[in-house]
Amino acid sequence: GEDVEQSLFLSVREGDSSVINCTYTDSSSTYLYWYKQEPGAGLQLLTYIFSNMDMKQDQRLTVLLNKKDKHLSLRIADTQTGDSAIYFCAESSNAGNMLTFGGGTRLMVKP
Amino acid sequence: KAGVTQTPRYLIKTRGQQVTLSCSPISGHRSVSWYQQTPGQGLQFLFEYFSETQRNKGNFPGRFSGRQFSNSRSEMNVSTLELGDSALYLCASSPQGLAGASYEQYFGPGTRLTVT
Repeated sequence: GEDVEQSLFLSVREGDSSVINCTYTDSSSTYLYWYKQEPGAGLQLLTYIFSNMDMKQDQRLTVLLNKKDKHLSLRIADTQTGDSAIYFCAESSNAGNMLTFGGGTRLMVKP
Repeated sequence: KAGVTQTPRYLIKTRGQQVTLSCSPISGHRSVSWYQQTPGQGLQFLFEYFSETQRNKGNFPGRFSGRQFSNSRSEMNVSTLELGDSALYLCASSPQGLAGASYEQYFGPGTRLTVT
């Protein structure tokens, strides 16, 4: 079945850039998403990219998609302590509104 | 617009009981999906409803069921609760995209279910 993999943990210093990586196996993935989850909260949609795009930028967030390698990354510029959270990569195919999530990457931002 | 709301936020039940969780989607959204989040299995898709019909189903036993009402509000039910059902249950709503595919899914805060 489909699989989405992420590294478990990332630590950066405040003001640096963070890059969170994700790989997926489903070649029919149509949409790829990044969600943020803070402690005790639900998932916040950060951004998404359609599979025919290579890059999407939204303020401090840049998403890069390498469809050939099935690799997705999220770059957060000027990382702040408020960015500390778990970040989930997710994909969906044309099968409808069913998301397959990665295990999440815990981002720790040190002051 | 108000976001996705879920009730109750916290619930404690005993093994063998049943439970019903409720989700109200964002106004105008017709698709509602349910996910289970546990430390061991992560986020797993339960089912999706669109226009009162189940459109997709994940790999969960028949004890997990759901429904959607004409106003798009959705409920999920778990019967004969087991300890392993303890989890955060998340609901997401989505507007209808092209050819049924999703492009934006917005999650509620979740219902934390503890089974003792």
